[in-house]
Amino acid sequence: DAGVIQSPRHEVTEMGQEVTLRCKPISGHDYLFWYRQTMMRGLELLIYFNNNVPIDDSGMPEDRFSAKMPNASFSTLKIQPSEPRDSAVYFCASSRADRDMNTEAFFGQGTRLTVV
Amino acid sequence: AQSVTQLDSHVSVSEGTPVLLRCNYSSSYSPSLFWYVQHPNKGLQLLLKYTSAATLVKGINGFEAEFKKSETSFHLTKPSAHMSDAAEYFCVVISHNFNKFYFGSGTKLNVKP
Repeated sequence: DAGVIQSPRHEVTEMGQEVTLRCKPISGHDYLFWYRQTMMRGLELLIYFNNNVPIDDSGMPEDRFSAKMPNASFSTLKIQPSEPRDSAVYFCASSRADRDMNTEAFFGQGTRLTVV
Repeated sequence: AQSVTQLDSHVSVSEGTPVLLRCNYSSSYSPSLFWYVQHPNKGLQLLLKYTSAATLVKGINGFEAEFKKSETSFHLTKPSAHMSDAAEYFCVVISHNFNKFYFGSGTKLNVKP
């Protein structure tokens, strides 16, 4: 498996524009997480899905942020409109619940977003 | 509720000397604990994990961690630091239903030649 795949790796956009980040989880994983990493706040969990259903979106900062998971192999995180303070590295991760409690999260390489 | 506290935001060691990165956890249940490493401009990679088996866990690149319930600690150690170990390290606890990962604030390890 190629691991968790995120695109694009880098995104530079102007304030006010819509930004869409994409993630392909590892096949067979039933959990998908979106994290944001900044120097000031570290790693923050934005939202996670189980079997394509959003379970906890309490970390989504504002209504400008939305996430979808239309199927088991694809998720998007959208920011509309984007603002300079959204500049961060956004990570997608996936995991699989294991009855033996043997699970770990696999992370993508991240998307570095810069809003100017 | 689960949480982890990483006691040091920065640790600096000389190459060839031991590494100790501290982590304390809080959990209402028997926790599953992880250490992840993030090299500059890279994603996060699993170093090791504890899931209620042996209390001393060995991971990749010579790292290990010991789960101490009495101290609620899961410190990461390595006998001899290498320049390539310079990175940021995150201690992580997973929720009791094994679907939510709680990250510590991270410890940046600097290795001096």
